[in-house]
Amino acid sequence: DAGITQSPRHKVTETGTPVTLRCHQTENHRYMYWYRQDPGHGLRLIHYSYGVKDTDKGEVSDGYSVSRSKTEDFLLTLESATSSQTSVYFCAIRRDTSNEQFFGPGTRLTVL
Amino acid sequence: TQLLEQSPQFLSIQEGENLTVYCNSSSVFSSLQWYRQEPGEGPVLLVTVVTGGEVKKLKRLTFQFGDARKDSSLHITAAQPGDTGLYLCAGERSGNTPLVFGKGTRLSVIA
Repeated sequence: DAGITQSPRHKVTETGTPVTLRCHQTENHRYMYWYRQDPGHGLRLIHYSYGVKDTDKGEVSDGYSVSRSKTEDFLLTLESATSSQTSVYFCAIRRDTSNEQFFGPGTRLTVL
Repeated sequence: TQLLEQSPQFLSIQEGENLTVYCNSSSVFSSLQWYRQEPGEGPVLLVTVVTGGEVKKLKRLTFQFGDARKDSSLHITAAQPGDTGLYLCAGERSGNTPLVFGKGTRLSVIA
C-alpha cells in the first residue's frame, strides 16, 4: 500500500460542467501520474508531474489540465466535461529509486 | 501505433491448466513490469525484469524478459480462479520517461 487515495470515487456530471479529481499520497514521492482506462484502449497517460509545479503532458492531454501546488496532492481538471471523457481515472505514484508505479483505487466518471 | 502489443487479448481457461501471455515490441526497454488488475481496483505491480534473458518466479507465475529486451512473457502453471484478472505489461524506455503500457490480457479461470 503506497498510501494513495483518490476522490471522489464515483461521479456523474453533465456535459459542459467543470470537474476536478484529486489524488493524494502520504509518502512524498516526486512523480505522480494521471491515467484514463477505457475498453479497447488500455491505460493511457493524461498528464504527469515530477515535482511541485512541474508537470508535463501525456498522450491524451487535450481537454485536461493539472495542478500540483504541494507534493502530496495532484489535481486533474476537466474544464468543460464531454461525454468522451467518461472513463475510469487512475492516479499513480512512482517511487524515487525505480520506475515501478503504484496505483490508486480509481475514480469512475460518467459525463451525461 | 501501440508500442507494446499483448497477446492474447482474452483468455478463458479451466482451473488447473497452464497458460502463457506475451508482451512484444520492436523497441528496446531498459526494464519491463507486469501488473495485475482486478475489477474495480487499480493495477498492482507483480514483478520488474531488468536484464535481458532474466527469469523471475512468483509462486506459480514465471516471468521472462527477452534476450534483446524487446519482449516478455508471463507463464502461469496450474491456473486458479484467483488468477482471474487483467494482466498488463509496461515498459520503461529510459531514465525518467513515463512507462508505456500494453492494452492487457484479460484472463478468466473457470473452476
